[in-house]
Amino acid sequence: DGGITQSPKYLFRKEGQNVTLSCEQNLNHDAMYWYRQDPGQGLRLIYYSQIVNDFQKGDIAEGYSVSREKKESFPLTVTSAQKNPTAFYLCASSIVEASYGYTFGSGTRLTVV
Amino acid sequence: AQSVTQLGSHVSVSEGALVLLRCNYSSSVPPYLFWYVQYPNQGLQLLLKYTSAATLVKGINGFEAEFKKSETSFHLTKPSAHMSDAAEYFCAVDSGTYKYIFGTGTRLKVLA
Repeated sequence: DGGITQSPKYLFRKEGQNVTLSCEQNLNHDAMYWYRQDPGQGLRLIYYSQIVNDFQKGDIAEGYSVSREKKESFPLTVTSAQKNPTAFYLCASSIVEASYGYTFGSGTRLTVV
Repeated sequence: AQSVTQLGSHVSVSEGALVLLRCNYSSSVPPYLFWYVQYPNQGLQLLLKYTSAATLVKGINGFEAEFKKSETSFHLTKPSAHMSDAAEYFCAVDSGTYKYIFGTGTRLKVLA
């Protein structure tokens, strides 16, 4: 079955360390997105990519980086520059059509101690 | 600029009662509107979407929503709540930029 896989589901890191969250899709979608979710704040867009080798900053890109070397993969790195990285991170994908709707992964909960 | 406002961060209903979750949007062009549901520690699942084909949209699990342009609203309803409907619900808007703007969510509690 097609879908989006995020791994790991839970991740613990020490403060000051970079960490990479994985997102893989086999839906043949061109567009992929990373959102951050915090209680009471909804989903906020970190980065998005609508084509391989190209990506754009979202509303809260500071302290994060991404790559899009393959259509299927869109990893997110949370760097030490991110001031408050503890959050639930969601990856999504879609075809590039506004009315299509996103397909979401099951998320990665990152805790920085 | 586009935006979404969900009124009520928490809503409680009795099992069997009507569910009404409110969403108002702002968009300078005809929008695409979506409702998603999220169960604890999971991703979001698409419930339904408005794409201008019909103002009353039916989705999964018995939910429906009505697009009202005059009120800039897209409220989500279900005639009879079930315990399994307890979850967080998100409204989202896209004005053609392929980037969705999400509301802050409404957590639905269903009382036995």
